Order: sequence, then structure tokens, then C-alpha cells
Amino acid sequence: NAGVMQNPRHLVRRRGQEARLRCSPMKGHSHVYWYRQLPEEGLKFMVYLQKENIIDESGMPKERFSAEFPKEGPSILRIQQVVRGDSAAYFCASSPGQGPPLHFGNGTRLTVT
Amino acid sequence: QKEVEQDPGPLSVPEGAIVSLNCTYSNSAFQYFMWYRQYSRKGPELLMYTYSSGNKEDGRFTAQVDKSSKYISLFIRDSQPSDSATYLCAMSYLSGTYKYIFGTGTRLKVLA
Repeated sequence: NAGVMQNPRHLVRRRGQEARLRCSPMKGHSHVYWYRQLPEEGLKFMVYLQKENIIDESGMPKERFSAEFPKEGPSILRIQQVVRGDSAAYFCASSPGQGPPLHFGNGTRLTVT
Repeated sequence: QKEVEQDPGPLSVPEGAIVSLNCTYSNSAFQYFMWYRQYSRKGPELLMYTYSSGNKEDGRFTAQVDKSSKYISLFIRDSQPSDSATYLCAMSYLSGTYKYIFGTGTRLKVLA
């Protein structure tokens, strides 16, 4: 039983480059959430997607950030023109339906140099 | 005032102790209550999940929800060094879609 799979585990980008983070939900899960975590801070909601639809993107910055969850393949969180402030751990979580609980992956740690 | 408050710790206890971890909240709309364990450089792992008030037990772990006091607890019996981690409480309510709010986590160290 594979859990939520995220890759890469670590990603280093220079300022101005693009970062693409991938998330494959647990088998049978069609709801995906993306969170960001900074040291000593809690998990901050970014976006909630179902297959082919963005349901709630209220936590995602309007510029440079986008997310998708295509009919086939993993969910992608894309950060364009990265800045140092984007350095953080990004976690994906999934659920089988709309309700709780959420199951998390091990995250992608983005470092912007 | 934050919606969910959690003491950051660190909380240090000797091996075998009973550990009590707590969160308070302000939003009476919360219906679902969860506890996650997060080891360093890993993702949050779901430990316990309850709906509304009451107690739930799973092995050495007991979760309690007191909605009248807006207070939830996680008890760990016979704590082990492998329990050393950060424990996150999380709460959820329905507002169009389910909203999840996480505490900032309590760091626990169980000393051998």
C-alpha cells in the first residue's frame, strides 16, 4: 500500500528558475491538498484540487504559483521565477473523499540559492 | 487570537512516563479532530482521528475532545524514545469544502 508519494525530496533552484513539485496521492484518493511549512511554523494551506479541477486556491499567492491535478498523472505545484522566500518544505496530502482525515507525503524541500 | 493554539515545547520526559499533549481552539464550528506525529525531515503521520466529543483509544495513544471547553488532548502511555517527534493537532470544519487548521506542533523528547 503505497502512501502519498512526493518527488523530488530535495530541490535546489537558483533565483528566477522554475520549480516543479509532484505529488501522487494514495491509491483510491482523488482529493489533493498542498501545504507549505516553514521552520517553527505550522502547515499553511495553499490549494485543494480534485481531478482536473481546482476547488480552493485561497491560500496560494496569485503570482508565480500554480497547481494542477490532471486526469492522468500526478498533481503538480509549479513555482515560477523562484525567490529566496520560497525556500520551504512543501507537503502534499490526499483523502479519498472531501472529508477528513488527510494523509501526507514526506514533502519536497525547496532551497532557493 | 489564533484559531488553534498549541504549546511549542520542547517537552522532555523520562522513558515510561505518561505524556499529555494539548491544543485549544476558538472556532466552535470544528467537528473533526486529528493528531499527527512528524519526525524530523518527514511528513506528518496520522495518529488519531475523532469526530465531535469523547475519547478514542488506539494502543498506547488516547485522544480526548472536550468541545465545551474547546480543548483537545493526546495521551501517550509508556512513552518510548521512538516517540520523540513533533506532534501536530489539526481540526476541520465544513464551510463549502472542509477547512483544515493545524497547530504549530509540540516537540516531545523522551529520554532513555
